[in-house]
Amino acid sequence: DPKIIQKPKYLVAVTGSEKILICEQYLGHNAMYWYRQSAKKPLEFMFSYSYQKLMDNQTASSRFQPQSSKKNHLDLQITALKPDDSATYFCASSRPQISNERLFFGHGTKLSVL
Amino acid sequence: GDSVTQTEGPVTVSESESLIINCTYSATSIAYPNLFWYVRYPGEGLQLLLKVITAGQKGSSRGFEATYNKETTSFHLQKASVQESDSAVYYCALGDPWNNAGAKLTFGGGTRLTVRP
Repeated sequence: DPKIIQKPKYLVAVTGSEKILICEQYLGHNAMYWYRQSAKKPLEFMFSYSYQKLMDNQTASSRFQPQSSKKNHLDLQITALKPDDSATYFCASSRPQISNERLFFGHGTKLSVL
Repeated sequence: GDSVTQTEGPVTVSESESLIINCTYSATSIAYPNLFWYVRYPGEGLQLLLKVITAGQKGSSRGFEATYNKETTSFHLQKASVQESDSAVYYCALGDPWNNAGAKLTFGGGTRLTVRP
């Protein structure tokens, strides 16, 4: 059974709209992350959260807003969507928020912006 | 910034053949980065294969090995005899050991491996 659940698996949106990507983890981890993989690009770090607090943000645009309503949830709200936002978004988690800790990833949400 | 370059796929080998997937890194702000290999098997999420956090050390898992070479800034993944079940996408990654904001990794582009029966 997947321990990190991402919903939906696929998402199609129109330019200018807003979407929320859902992530729940059932591993009891304190740290959660968002990574993104665009076509032909490596997986890239976006955000890290620990105990529901933002620790690091490498996303230049404020259109991307993580939301943590519960310790094991880290959703990603994306506003004013652009075609360049098309990518697969991966949620991940780890135990303590230390640098060499093993990351556990969800299966991803593939977002297509038309 | 930091970067990771790995063998561009796809790579196809026959079962029982040896395999090497090259990985080199550039860590401009990190003297001794942590190094990782992650793997995504078909239908599964990305998962850790092995990690090495000390230069000169070797990591191993599931028959795969990788040695952290500080001199050549490399972390090549090797296996002496691959199996069909090794077919997957492999990602090399580095992390900053002094980053206390968590596992912020820089990934390579991934190498898709197909093992022919």
